[in-house]
Amino acid sequence: RKEVEQDPGPFNVPEGATVAFNCTYSNSASQSFFWYRQDCRKEPKLLMSVYSSGNEDGRFTAQLNRASQYISLLIRDSKLSDSATYLCVVNEGNQFYFGTGTSLTVIP
Amino acid sequence: DAGITQSPRHKVTETGTPVTLRCHQTENHRYMYWYRQDPGHGLRLIHYSYGVKDTDKGEVSDGYSVSRSKTEDFLLTLESATSSQTSVYFCAISESGRGTNEKLFFGSGTQLSVL
Repeated sequence: RKEVEQDPGPFNVPEGATVAFNCTYSNSASQSFFWYRQDCRKEPKLLMSVYSSGNEDGRFTAQLNRASQYISLLIRDSKLSDSATYLCVVNEGNQFYFGTGTSLTVIP
Repeated sequence: DAGITQSPRHKVTETGTPVTLRCHQTENHRYMYWYRQDPGHGLRLIHYSYGVKDTDKGEVSDGYSVSRSKTEDFLLTLESATSSQTSVYFCAISESGRGTNEKLFFGSGTQLSVL
């Protein structure tokens, strides 16, 4: 069983659309949670941390539901520059576990 | 951006030859990690280090060894490269490795092709 599971997509959405990504994790003792963004042939970069209270950074909103072991990312008013792969990441002890990523393409 | 440098950026080698990848950090972070990324598998941990000379195995450690003789350097060695080790290798660092809000920062990656 994988530690972190994501819908791989791909998601193809028009500019201006709202899109949501989901992720589940298997270990209830997981300590911290993140969304990373990875552009083609580049390294993953931290997009945002995820907190139980929910957190927002501009057009991006992340939410954590510990009871359901579920993490979400909402992107509003999608831009062409949002096209990338989004990785769900979970920290357990001194290790980090990655989902396989969700591919997003924003279409003009 | 975090100060992490991977070398080489690209490497083509032949089956059976030894290969060493280097990761250098200027952040003085305690934890360093080596991951490989393959289509359909995402990022998988090879080995990690929690201090000088302190290392441990990850999920896919077979065929790989590591060394950390200085805080800033973490080396990944393929003793005898095989075609299944063709992949993109990422080094990452973390300040303390655990706890709420602990984050990973990545190097630019090394594309390794084993022919």
